[in-house]
Order: sequence, then C-alpha cells, then structure tokens
Amino acid sequence: DAGITQSPRHKVTETGTPVTLRCHQTENHRYMYWYRQDPGHGLRLIHYSYGVKDTDKGEVSDGYSVSRSKTEDFLLTLESATSSQTSVYFCAISTNRGGSGNTIYFGEGSWLTVV
Amino acid sequence: AQSVAQPEDQVNVAEGNPLTVKCTYSVSGNPYLFWYVQYPNRGLQFLLKYITGDNLVKGSYGFEAEFNKSQTSFHLKKPSALVSDSALYFCAVRAAGASGGSYIPTFGRGTSLIVHP
Repeated sequence: DAGITQSPRHKVTETGTPVTLRCHQTENHRYMYWYRQDPGHGLRLIHYSYGVKDTDKGEVSDGYSVSRSKTEDFLLTLESATSSQTSVYFCAISTNRGGSGNTIYFGEGSWLTVV
Repeated sequence: AQSVAQPEDQVNVAEGNPLTVKCTYSVSGNPYLFWYVQYPNRGLQFLLKYITGDNLVKGSYGFEAEFNKSQTSFHLKKPSALVSDSALYFCAVRAAGASGGSYIPTFGRGTSLIVHP
C-alpha cells in the first residue's frame, strides 16, 4: 500500500464540462503520475510530476492539464470533457522502496464517463 | 525508445497446471523489468521486478519471472495456477540508469489470464 487516494472514484459528467480528478498521497513521494487505461491500449501516460510545480507531458496529454501545488496532491483537469475521455484514470507514485528501480505503485482508479 | 510486447491477449490454463504469460521488450542498454496484476475494478498491483543479479525473480502470490537477455524476454510463470489468479497482467520496462522523463517505464497492453476450474 503506497498511501494513494483518488477522488472521485466514479463520476458521470456531460460533454463540455470541466472535470478535476484528485490524487492524494501520504508518503511524501517526489514523483507522481496520471495514466488512463482503455481496452486495446493498455496504460498510457497523460502527465507526470517530479516535484511541486514541476510537471511534464506524457504520450496522451492533449485535452488534459495538471497541477501540483503541494507534494501530496496531484490534480488532473479535463478543461472541457469529451466522450473520448471516457476512461479509467489511475494515479501512481514512484518510490525507491526495496532498492533501485523506481517501482511505480498505483491508486485504485477513477472511473469517468462523459455523456 | 523503449517498448514492451505482450503477444497474447488472453491465456487460458486449467487450475493446477503451470502458467506462463509472455513479455518481450526493447530498450537501450540494460533493462529494469516489472510485472503487475490487475483484478477487476481495481488498480494495478506490483508483483515483482528484475533489476540485476539472478535471472529468476520471485514475487508475490507464488509468481516468478525469468529474465532472458539474449531473447529480450521476461516471462511470468507460476508452477500451479489457481482460479483466483484470473486477472489482467501487465509487463513494463525502463532503461537502467535512465534519468529525467526516460526513467518512466513503458507498459505492455496487458494479458488476460483465465484459470479454469
């Protein structure tokens, strides 16, 4: 258990509305990530953060923005939700727990449906 | 660039039989390799990883994985499958010694393991 909490866990929203997903961690890890999981695509990285106010884009960042104003929280925002953003979103952290390799640990996911 | 291939979308095995879930990778230099398991409606759980040393890595729930550098493979194995092992399995790779954004692992598309009673 890496102490990751995602909220909300389930959300239905309308096309064109803004949506923010929150990831909260309790263990002061530096690196945090947002992934989306879709059938046939596996896991794809949206954005990641390597420190407070330090973020970068992943492979599928279009339509998403992130913010990290404090170590424990990493927010993912869909500025104007579209049906193609219906997905399961996973937050993750990276730790050197157990030796080298920066093992990534995942939260329980946020199911987002855009109608 | 780094990549992972999981050539089988689904693997079927009878309970009590050995199971193998295949993974091949491509990376510059030495790899760090990972296996994760995902149960329905849950997040991914870390199973095991290869960093260096013994090519046979043991992990959680009786799983193990064999690193083969010449074949660039990291297959997940278990001697005797359980129905409760039925889940989605993901392989991931990153380059050892990478820094910055390149330390982020790349995940395969996943393999659905179905263990029949």
